[in-house]
Amino acid sequence: TQLLEQSPQFLSIQEGENLTVYCNSSSVFSSLQWYRQEPGEGPVLLVTVVTGGEVKKLKRLTFQFGDARKDSSLHITAAQPGDTGLYLCAGAVLTFYGNKLVFGAGTILRVKS
Amino acid sequence: DTAVSQTPKYLVTQMGNDKSIKCEQNLGHDTMYWYKQDSKKFLKIMFSYNNKELIINETVPNRFSPKSPDKAHLNLHINSLELGDSAVYFCASSQGHPSSYNSPLHFGNGTRLTVT
Repeated sequence: TQLLEQSPQFLSIQEGENLTVYCNSSSVFSSLQWYRQEPGEGPVLLVTVVTGGEVKKLKRLTFQFGDARKDSSLHITAAQPGDTGLYLCAGAVLTFYGNKLVFGAGTILRVKS
Repeated sequence: DTAVSQTPKYLVTQMGNDKSIKCEQNLGHDTMYWYKQDSKKFLKIMFSYNNKELIINETVPNRFSPKSPDKAHLNLHINSLELGDSAVYFCASSQGHPSSYNSPLHFGNGTRLTVT
């Protein structure tokens, strides 16, 4: 079982539609990060959320951290073909040796023009 | 360009061989990592080094041995390669110690390892 459950796994939508990706866990995270990965490249950080209930906006992307810091969501408004990619959430878990980032399984988003 | 660079990008080899992947970062970061991404895109941490010191060592077979000659380099050597080792291996770096949970990871572009 994975610490972070991400849904949906796949999403194929038309340009202009809105979508939401969810990241859920039963564990509390010190912080949560969202990454976007394109084929043949490494993940690139989109945002870090730290405080429970925090909302951050990045142009058409809205990120929310749950009040209990156990879940997060990514909402994209008016999706564009350039938004196509793999979206990964990653939670920071406190361990004996410090914080460790645990990744969700990812959401593959395809935006068709 | 400032970046995390890893070589080679592709590696095809036979079972039983030994291979190495190299990683270098010129971002001045203190911590470097190796992650493994499987065919389902699941990204899992393998190792983490802070200033050349091993910090995180997940339950990885001891056929995998990381080496950090200095804080800008973290190489991964794999002995006796197995079919199940086929995956994309990502090197990453971050500023500060892993306890700095806000530090984002800067990833390389990955090494696709195929074991036949």
